[in-house]
Amino acid sequence: EVQLVESGGDVVQPGGSLRLSCVASGFTFSSYAMHWVRQAPGKGLEYVSAISRNGVSTFYANSVKGRFTISRDDSKNTLYLQMGSLRSEDMGVYYCARDWLHDYWGQGTLVTVSS
Amino acid sequence: DVVMTQSPLSLPVTLGQPASISCRSSQSLVYSDGNTYFHWFQQRPGQSPRRLIYKVSNRDSGVPDRFSGSGSGTDFTLKISRVEAEDVGVYYCMQSTHWPRSFGQGTKLEIK
Repeated sequence: EVQLVESGGDVVQPGGSLRLSCVASGFTFSSYAMHWVRQAPGKGLEYVSAISRNGVSTFYANSVKGRFTISRDDSKNTLYLQMGSLRSEDMGVYYCARDWLHDYWGQGTLVTVSS
Repeated sequence: DVVMTQSPLSLPVTLGQPASISCRSSQSLVYSDGNTYFHWFQQRPGQSPRRLIYKVSNRDSGVPDRFSGSGSGTDFTLKISRVEAEDVGVYYCMQSTHWPRSFGQGTKLEIK
């Protein structure tokens, strides 16, 4: 069974940093591109970042470019999102999703940016 | 950037009646390989998104056959032949042809 489990969400002050993790199981993690998608409270889905299956190619939404870094450790079946210079508009639930076709999603982890 | 526009944004439906959601993209979603990377997701209250339909019309495993997707180019439709109580939630369209990927605003389906 494919499973994606996010963690690392927390309350952080504006300007602070946070690292999110997404642990994958039930499939060959190294064979798939992976993504982060977020959802602000009561709002719709926003694409954040992607990484190719070999980690060579990455993509960032303009809203996070230069502040967030996506990475992966295939030996640990884990996807990461290093978030820096956090703003109130970065607040929300962060989901990881598998594959260019987004076929499986995790349950999400909540990031709160507040002083 | 490709803008995805859904309509309606709110969809009250009587149980057992059909429902239809439209999604229009600002650019063609046909990729250079000939595929159209357009998908539909369902997000039930309190849950994470779940893919229902991929590449326009392919239903995911476990998705009831009352859900169907159609369309081409820039215009796409999700149809539910007979709405059931478990269909309540928000439906999103998404394109993964162009960067950045983009979602529609979401359509909230509720029971009338």
